Amino acid sequence: NAGVTQTPKFRVLKTGQSMTLLCAQDMNHEYMYWYRQDPGMGLRLIHYSVGEGTTAKGEVPDGYNVSRLKKQNFLLGLESAAPSQTSVYFCASSYPSNEQFFGPGTRLTVL
Amino acid sequence: GQQVMQIPQYQHVQEGEDFTTYCNSSTTLSNIQWYKQRPGGHPVFLIQLVKSGEVKKQKRLTFQFGEAKKNSSLHITATQTTDVGTYFCAGPTNTGFQKLVFGTGTRLLVSP
Repeated sequence: NAGVTQTPKFRVLKTGQSMTLLCAQDMNHEYMYWYRQDPGMGLRLIHYSVGEGTTAKGEVPDGYNVSRLKKQNFLLGLESAAPSQTSVYFCASSYPSNEQFFGPGTRLTVL
Repeated sequence: GQQVMQIPQYQHVQEGEDFTTYCNSSTTLSNIQWYKQRPGGHPVFLIQLVKSGEVKKQKRLTFQFGEAKKNSSLHITATQTTDVGTYFCAGPTNTGFQKLVFGTGTRLLVSP
């Protein structure tokens, strides 16, 4: 089992460009999450999903959109990237256990 | 809103010294989880505590959940260089769903 995978691993964008981050899990987990991690601020929840076809806003959703068309995939979109979105993005999945399994992360720089 | 704070933010120890990080929640938690993130890596689940006053051990790591279920601690005995990383506590939000609020983290550096 690969667990949770994320693509791409690194990306540099210019302000105003768009991109999609892909998260895939092969553990048949119902719940999936997108976090961003900034220095000194821990992990902050952007959006989450409780099942295929469902999404909901987390703590810091502005500037991001998500979709969960298939149970195993959770996509995070940036429609018009801003320098404030420079961060490391982690995807995670869980359920039925409470433990969250994280992907390796995507390091995004917006110039 | 619900907040989870950790202290210290950073600690640098010599190999063999003990280390403790403390986690404090603004609200009562039904459970608390601990994660470790190695430099350049992703968070990895260590343990979950559920009961008031619960103490669990994993080799040199001792985890404790406070009696009021609002605080927790992680103690490492005789640190090793492999303990380097950031330790996060996390508690479920009060929305009844499996969302976690992560603490600010404690970064541990161990010198040989």
